Amino acid sequence: QSVLTQPPSASGTPGQRVTISCSGSSSNIGSNAVNWYQQLPGTAPKLLIYYTNQRPSGVPDRFSGSKSGTSASLAISGLQSEDEADYYCAAFDDSLNGPEFGGGTKLTVL
Amino acid sequence: QVQLVESGGGVVQPGRSLRLSCAASGFSFKSYNMHWVRQAPGKGLEWVALIWYDGTNRNYADSVKGQFTISRDNSKNTLYLQMNSLRSEDTAVYYCARDVSMGPYIRWSFDLWGRGTLVRISS
Repeated sequence: QSVLTQPPSASGTPGQRVTISCSGSSSNIGSNAVNWYQQLPGTAPKLLIYYTNQRPSGVPDRFSGSKSGTSASLAISGLQSEDEADYYCAAFDDSLNGPEFGGGTKLTVL
Repeated sequence: QVQLVESGGGVVQPGRSLRLSCAASGFSFKSYNMHWVRQAPGKGLEWVALIWYDGTNRNYADSVKGQFTISRDNSKNTLYLQMNSLRSEDTAVYYCARDVSMGPYIRWSFDLWGRGTLVRISS
């Protein structure tokens, strides 16, 4: 059971905007930055969003992150077929003294 | 080319040991804090261990504390994970990952990942 809770699946059609939620607590999301990772099928994870809302160079501005209280969200606008992947949120947990990942959300582009 | 390449995985019997390596290239390895992250087949990601840039501090997930040891050799640009008393639940792809931070401050964001090495515990 993950400390951070994500919906197991999400879907959208090309061009649509989708959001993926990540619910935590005061010891993780509530007090620390949130990161998002994208894992394409059969590949290693890739950092998509760090420090809650920052994009590494090379990540399109279609991807954005936000946080409110103990929940965070990843938004993908202008959905493309190549966005079909697993998405993981992560945050340091003060109680566990280590980073925790959400269970992952499988995004399907219909 | 900036990259991390893991090696050392394979099939191991329960109770045996294995040492994973991660060769870094294309960046100043000695300046970065490094992690191991694992992913069981069909499952999500699990952070395993952290070592500071200079090797002076290490942190472990509770699930591997006392069983795994992370280390590094900055002269060889290589990260290691010594895994002892292996159990079936240790079966996973093991990734080495670079923290976005350099020096004595950990950001817990992983901006560079290797392709991973599969460790399978089976009798």
